[in-house]
Amino acid sequence: DIQMTQFPSTLSASVGETVIITCRASESVSHWVAWYQQKPGKAPMLLIYKASSLEYGVPSRFSGSESGTEFTLTISRLQPDDFATYYCQQYHTYSTFGQGTRLE
Amino acid sequence: QVWLQESGPGLVRPSRTLSLTCSVSGTSVTDQNYFWSWIRQPPGKGLEWLGSISHTKGTNFQPSLSSRLTMSLDTSANHFSLRLTSVTAADTAVYYCAREPGSLDYWGQGILVTVS
Repeated sequence: DIQMTQFPSTLSASVGETVIITCRASESVSHWVAWYQQKPGKAPMLLIYKASSLEYGVPSRFSGSESGTEFTLTISRLQPDDFATYYCQQYHTYSTFGQGTRLE
Repeated sequence: QVWLQESGPGLVRPSRTLSLTCSVSGTSVTDQNYFWSWIRQPPGKGLEWLGSISHTKGTNFQPSLSSRLTMSLDTSANHFSLRLTSVTAADTAVYYCAREPGSLDYWGQGILVTVS
């Protein structure tokens, strides 16, 4: 099974700051990585697909990048609505999620 | 507008079978561009992909669950279903259905299933 190691598990930041969340795949997943935002009691929402493609309707302050088996989600100019939990997902071989990052 | 909604019992007895249905509107389960997926989330924990089914009714399952998992597609009703046998307390979770063009772009609201 492909493992996705996501870090940090918790991230403290303030409105206006820029934060980076990282996922490392246990083997090559090419660019088949997505990022999701989840708020309490709600379903996850797709932010980024194919490592760096922004889902329609998602603000451009969200961006994704890749370097080998390491993938990052960058959130620039944090807004109050951005404080949530974020998950990465690989969908190269079946599907696996990272453990999640709670942004507080 | 694409809409998915899970339905089924909220309480299942241990060792019994969990059965859920995902009703789909605004898109067709026969669309060859998509798979139809189930994901679950135990209370307070992370997401676990369970499996998916295609328009041709081909399936992919999480290897650790494949012996207990069945998925089906009803094209006339435009819905798809999940069956998980021999459930235990570890199967207690919010179960989500989602549309999968690779990533998961539309999700249902989720349904809490408690095994007790």
